[in-house]
Amino acid sequence: EVQLVETGGGLIQPGGSLRLACAASGFTLSNLYISWVRQAPGKGLEWVSIIYSDGTTHYADSVKGRFSISKDNSKNTVYLQMNSLRAEDTATYYCSRAITITTIFDLWGRGTLVTVSS
Amino acid sequence: DIQMTQSPSSLAASVGDRVTITCRAGQNIITYLNWYQQKPGKAPKLLIYSGSNLQSGVPSRFSGSGSGTDFTLTISSLQPEDVATYYCQQSYTHPSFGQGTSLEIK
Repeated sequence: EVQLVETGGGLIQPGGSLRLACAASGFTLSNLYISWVRQAPGKGLEWVSIIYSDGTTHYADSVKGRFSISKDNSKNTVYLQMNSLRAEDTATYYCSRAITITTIFDLWGRGTLVTVSS
Repeated sequence: DIQMTQSPSSLAASVGDRVTITCRAGQNIITYLNWYQQKPGKAPKLLIYSGSNLQSGVPSRFSGSGSGTDFTLTISSLQPEDVATYYCQQSYTHPSFGQGTSLEIK
């Protein structure tokens, strides 16, 4: 089955770190763009980060310098390392697959909830 | 960043109605505009890409139009299963989403 599965969410204190994983199955992510998109409770969608097939990365201003995206092609998995977490980072984090070399997201995972609270 | 503005923020319509949602971009994005549907507790689902292209498996009652800065998502005959929040997203530069339009049945 073609799918993305996110793991790694949970409750973390402000200032803490967390690493999310996005495991792909049914396809190979090495040649694709993979992105993280988040959604705060009751709010809209916010793009967070993207990693291109060549390993190039980009970040939203709100997370630049704190979050880092990477991938392990051998494990068919993309990661999001989140440091210096803030209350406003509380959200469900979705990973998504882009169509070829675009940012049109045709496949989404179910998401993993990150709660930043003391 | 390109600002995306949707209108209305919410609407209620009757089954069988024609429904239109508008999305305006803060600058010319040609046709780099996509539409997603999100049902409660679920991940977003791609409906329309590149302005007017229907994603595989999406019912033909959904259509998209527009170019430049002004875009429209139309549902030709509203069905109960269309209750959801709809988001536009530009793919001209780093992605950005509209604030969403919540659609309910009247």
